[in-house]
Amino acid sequence: LAKTTQPISMDSYEGQEVNITCSHNNIATNDYITWYQQFPSQGPRFIIQGYKTKVTNEVASLFIPADRKSSTLSLPRVSLSDTAVYYCLVGAPRDNYGQNFVFGPGTRLSVLP
Amino acid sequence: EADIYQTPRYLVIGTGKKITLECSQTMGHDKMYWYQQDPGMELHLIHYSYGVNSTEKGDLSSESTVSRIRTEHFPLTLESARPSHTSQYLCASSLKGSSYEQYFGPGTRLTVT
Repeated sequence: LAKTTQPISMDSYEGQEVNITCSHNNIATNDYITWYQQFPSQGPRFIIQGYKTKVTNEVASLFIPADRKSSTLSLPRVSLSDTAVYYCLVGAPRDNYGQNFVFGPGTRLSVLP
Repeated sequence: EADIYQTPRYLVIGTGKKITLECSQTMGHDKMYWYQQDPGMELHLIHYSYGVNSTEKGDLSSESTVSRIRTEHFPLTLESARPSHTSQYLCASSLKGSSYEQYFGPGTRLTVT
């Protein structure tokens, strides 16, 4: 089970780009990197998933260097509504023989006006 | 939007009562999960299921039990509620080969007095 480390909290201002980095030094060959977003009093929401290089969708971009020991979630031009907890998870999506889905404490992003 | 539902959304109940938290999904997902989360704290996996008649305990020990008689339904039961069970309970589901892309329900906030 690849352990992840991310900052506990971050502050940003509206309109700025926010980059949240996650360290996963013992990531395995079959592991993917997945990010979730959780608003207060709601369940987490899947944001993006990647294996290597760069993945982009309508919500965020995920940058993964060649050694895959870290990854960076990039949120372009954040707004107040992006205030949430962001979780980085690492594991093999096709793992059917064990549940190694651990959310951890996540990064609490506060977007200020 | 994901089609996963939880009822009730809020429940206040006295000590010693038996309660069942309902979770249903209409996506045909094989895997379903129950998480427990206290306010501002991490999510902890308490139960999961790979499919009908399959149930497993998660990382966090829980006095609750679950059943999976139908693919779409994954109820959680507490035989005798205690104040220590006060928490938010989140249900999620995923496709069999995509454990890391989970869809979460809105949660049930349980208060045991």
